[in-house]
Amino acid sequence: AQSVAQPEDQVNVAEGNPLTVKCTYSVSGNPYLFWYVQYPNRGLQFLLKYITGDNLVKGSYGFEAEFNKSQTSFHLKKPSALVSDSALYFCAVRPYSGSARQLTFGSGTQLTVLP
Amino acid sequence: GAGVSQSPSNKVTEKGKDVELRCDPISGHTALYWYRQRLGQGLEFLIYFQGNSAPDKSGLPSDRFSAERTGESVSTLTIQRTQQEDSAVYLCASRAPRESGANVLTFGAGSRLTVL
Repeated sequence: AQSVAQPEDQVNVAEGNPLTVKCTYSVSGNPYLFWYVQYPNRGLQFLLKYITGDNLVKGSYGFEAEFNKSQTSFHLKKPSALVSDSALYFCAVRPYSGSARQLTFGSGTQLTVLP
Repeated sequence: GAGVSQSPSNKVTEKGKDVELRCDPISGHTALYWYRQRLGQGLEFLIYFQGNSAPDKSGLPSDRFSAERTGESVSTLTIQRTQQEDSAVYLCASRAPRESGANVLTFGAGSRLTVL
């Protein structure tokens, strides 16, 4: 069975500092990986996805994620955090050859950027 | 509309009552999904609709849960005889046809259900 682990429930970072939100996954075959962000009282918004190709994926709002096959990780990163980045972040995976209904989400990481 | 619309945004009900949650997907999106998000947990898949195909109900937790979709438009998630453990945010998402090349879910803001 596939799974996603977000080992940190909470990440705090000072504004202007780099941020990392960790994600590791387990899936049969090649993975199709996603990051979504959820602001308070809003639905999940798509940030970025990895299918194939360059291991460094760039997404919305200056976020990027690095796919590491050997470590089965897909950590979300941003060089310089903003207070407005404070939100709940979800990593998700499904088999590349599968369908969206097989999408498995992590439990989420609450990012707080301190001014 | 421009996004996925869900109603009500908040619902408080008494244990044993039935509730209906509504989802209006993005026009033209053939696929529609319902997820449940319990406090501090990830999203749980509930049900999936794709065009006129039979829905994938494999995620529904019990026979108290059901969902319908009219064509490629509105969907209703019904929970009968609600229990306290049903308290959660219920999220709806839709996706454009596969041939469009888009393979990303667009989520609504969710319906927060509280069962007293």
